[in-house]
Amino acid sequence: QVQVVESGGGVVQPGRSLRLSCAASGFIFTTYTMHWVRQAPGKGLEWVAVVSRDGGHTFYAQSVTGRFTISRDNSNNTVYLQMHSLRPEDSAVYYCACPDHERDPWGPGTRVTVSS
Amino acid sequence: AIQVTQSPSSLSASVGDRVTVSCRASQDIKSDLTWYQQKPGEAPKRLIYTTSNLQTGVPSRFSGSGSGTDFTLTISSLQPGDFATYYCLQDHSFPWTFGQGTKVEIK
Repeated sequence: QVQVVESGGGVVQPGRSLRLSCAASGFIFTTYTMHWVRQAPGKGLEWVAVVSRDGGHTFYAQSVTGRFTISRDNSNNTVYLQMHSLRPEDSAVYYCACPDHERDPWGPGTRVTVSS
Repeated sequence: AIQVTQSPSSLSASVGDRVTVSCRASQDIKSDLTWYQQKPGEAPKRLIYTTSNLQTGVPSRFSGSGSGTDFTLTISSLQPGDFATYYCLQDHSFPWTFGQGTKVEIK
């Protein structure tokens, strides 16, 4: 079935790095842009980043520009979010999503906690 | 970046009530407005895309309207499973932006 599943979350100290992964299945991955969205504890949704179908174009929220990098591996149907210089305010559940797909699959999310 | 202001932040309603949630964009976004429903501990679920198009499988009591800068989500007759938080999303231009959310609670 159409699905995306995130992984790679965990507890990390401020200033450190973490890479999230999102594995897609059940659809033609190369046909769609892919997005990351996050949700801090008890807060609303925040759009984070997008990568184009071929990986050649990306765009970021101002809050993560210069620190986060989105990329994709079309041979493995996977999208990544490399996060550097993490801050406590980056603590959130991170969701991978494919809104261009008619079913708009979202994963269950992976939790990132930035704390010393 | 386009700002999206959603109101109210919360509301209390009873089963069978008609409920409306509003979103206002800081500039013209044509019809590029999506509505999501989120229940605690779950990923968001798309209800409506491009202002008024119902996502497959979503009950017809949900509807959307508007254009330009002002948009509305309407639930014609609130059901027990509809108590949740609703978000609008402008997907007209990057960076995409969500509204602040509206929590629909039981009265």
